Amino acid sequence: GQQVMQIPQYQHVQEGEDFTTYCNSSTTLSNIQWYKQRPGGHPVFLIQLVKSGEVKKQKRLTFQFGEAKKNSSLHITATQTTDVGTYFCAGGSEKLVFGKGTKLTVNP
Amino acid sequence: GAVVSQHPSRVICKSGTSVKIECRSLDFQATTMFWYRQFPKQSLMLMATSNEGSKATYEQGVEKDKFLINHASLTLSTLTVTSAHPEDSSFYICSAEKPGTAISYNSPLHFGNGTRLTVT
Repeated sequence: GQQVMQIPQYQHVQEGEDFTTYCNSSTTLSNIQWYKQRPGGHPVFLIQLVKSGEVKKQKRLTFQFGEAKKNSSLHITATQTTDVGTYFCAGGSEKLVFGKGTKLTVNP
Repeated sequence: GAVVSQHPSRVICKSGTSVKIECRSLDFQATTMFWYRQFPKQSLMLMATSNEGSKATYEQGVEKDKFLINHASLTLSTLTVTSAHPEDSSFYICSAEKPGTAISYNSPLHFGNGTRLTVT
C-alpha cells in the first residue's frame, strides 16, 4: 500500500538556525499536506500543495512539492522557540497517509 | 477557522468496560469524519472513515466490532471502544473535512483535541 516516509525523526536546533524536514512517497500523490502538532496538542493544518514543482511560502516557512509529485519538503528559516512541535506531512491519493513526523526542538 | 470538538479529553476505565468518544464539528457540517490512533512518538494511524448516514469504512487490521463508529448526524461522530483492554490505551483523535475547502482529492483536515484513553 501507499507509504509516506518522513525524515529526520528528530531535529534539535539553536534558535536562529534553519530547519528542514523531508517527505517521500512510494507512489505519485495527488496532493501533499503539512500539519503542525504542538506538544500536548492536536495537528493543525498548515498548507496543501497540488501542482508539480509547486512552492509556497508562509512567512519563514517554505513548502515544496517535487516535480514527480512523490516528495516534499518544509523549510523553516531562522527558527524561533514558537516553532517547536512535530511537523507531519500527509500524502494524498485515495486517502491521506501521514508520515511519522519530525519533532523539532529549539534551544533558545 | 473550523472547529472540531472532541470529548472527553481524558478517560480512565477498567478493563472490560466500554468507552464512548464524541467528535463534533461546531461550525460546519461534516459528511465525512476520520478516526485516528496515535501511539507515543509515532504518527497518526487511520482507523476508520465515518460517513454520515452509512456504515463506517475500517482500515485493514482494525476490528469493527471492537471500535464501533456511529455518524448519526452531520455534526457528530462517535467512537465506542468496546470491552477495552490495556492494549487499547492510546491517544484517539478525530478529524473532519470542511466542505468546500478542497482544491484536490483530499480536503484539509480539522482535528479535535484528542482523547487520552487509559485502560487499567
